[in-house]
Amino acid sequence: NAGVMQNPRHLVRRRGQEARLRCSPMKGHSHVYWYRQLPEEGLKFMVYLQKENIIDESGMPKERFSAEFPKEGPSILRIQQVVRGDSAAYFCASSPETSGAYNEQFFGPGTRLTVL
Amino acid sequence: KQEVTQIPAALSVPEGENLVLNCSFTDSAIYNLQWFRQDPGKGLTSLLLIQSSQREQTSGRLNASLDKSSGRSTLYIAASQPGDSATYLCAAKDNYGQNFVFGPGTRLSVLP
Repeated sequence: NAGVMQNPRHLVRRRGQEARLRCSPMKGHSHVYWYRQLPEEGLKFMVYLQKENIIDESGMPKERFSAEFPKEGPSILRIQQVVRGDSAAYFCASSPETSGAYNEQFFGPGTRLTVL
Repeated sequence: KQEVTQIPAALSVPEGENLVLNCSFTDSAIYNLQWFRQDPGKGLTSLLLIQSSQREQTSGRLNASLDKSSGRSTLYIAASQPGDSATYLCAAKDNYGQNFVFGPGTRLSVLP
């Protein structure tokens, strides 16, 4: 059972370009969370999605950022018109359920975005 | 709003020592608390998950405790090894949201 997969692992973009980060949850998991880790800072929640639904996007910047988790395929975090301040590690986590005894989150290896 | 802090920010110990990492949270209405380790440039590895009804969890040389009333959790590492060197993060999931609130981490160095 493969773990949470993220690609690309490293992404370099110039200011103004778009960045698309992909996350494939663990098999059988239908809940996906995106977190951002800025240099020398802790992880900050961005968005929580279930299949075809955004459940909580309270941590997502209001502009330029969007996320989706389609019925088929990976979850996508999209950053439009990137700026240098978007340079960070973006982590995806998945869990099998949100209520019940176990809602442990399993993290992917992250995508490190560098904006030149 | 839940806030999570960790003390100390960094810790350096000689190999073989037992050590304790501390995690504090402001809202005691948590659903569970999870400890992770993060190696430089890598993702997060889950170490232990403590449900709100539990007082502690153990895995090998690791023991995590939870005291909701005081808003504290500790991670105890026995007989530390150089391979334990990493940043240790605690994260609390409260009863209201669906995400974890992370602490800033403790950077541990175990010297051979």
